[in-house]
Amino acid sequence: SQQGEEDPQALSIQEGENATMNCSYKTSINNLQWYRQNSGRGLVHLILIRSNEREKHSGRLRVTLDTSKKSSSLLITASRAADTASYFCATDAPLNSGGYQKVTFGTGTKLQVIP
Amino acid sequence: DTEVTQTPKHLVMGMTNKKSLKCEQHMGHRAMYWYKQKAKKPPELMFVYSYEKLSINESVPSRFSPECPNSSLLNLHLHALQPEDSALYLCASSPLASGVTLIPYNEQFFGPGTRLTVL
Repeated sequence: SQQGEEDPQALSIQEGENATMNCSYKTSINNLQWYRQNSGRGLVHLILIRSNEREKHSGRLRVTLDTSKKSSSLLITASRAADTASYFCATDAPLNSGGYQKVTFGTGTKLQVIP
Repeated sequence: DTEVTQTPKHLVMGMTNKKSLKCEQHMGHRAMYWYKQKAKKPPELMFVYSYEKLSINESVPSRFSPECPNSSLLNLHLHALQPEDSALYLCASSPLASGVTLIPYNEQFFGPGTRLTVL
């Protein structure tokens, strides 16, 4: 299975603190993406990191990728109450013989930022 | 317009009903997706359309029937559903690389979802 597993399942922090979420996956990938989902709503793309990249930044977000350990982490710095949401990693597999690949979502981390 | 819209927002149906979910995007994306998401679980891929043709069917029961009438619209027809089909149904779209190979290395844009309850 390509599905990623995220750790921790739930995280509660005070506003202003940093939040770190981890994602592990099982097979080799082309890219890894992080998405955010507010309760019961659609997902919003946050950042994509390619398999040949090790670190990427976007605003208060920092993503690392370690392909040797098949893991990634998402760091949100100086968290805000508005960051309260579920965060999912998503991996896509190399092309198969049929020429198609799909994105598979991890189990997610539920982040609560307390004002 | 960078939005994916879905209608209806909420749907309650009986097991004998026939209903349809609709999804629309005007970003020129040629890949469109249906996902099913149960509470506290990640989205699970159901179908992928590329260039209006069904590319991936993740062994979804035939009571779910997708349709892509044109490059902007994606429907999911529902018939004889079971209570366990109650979930949030998400539509997404993404650009495709040139050529016929489906490479979703770009982000997927998600709609807000349809909350489906089957009684």
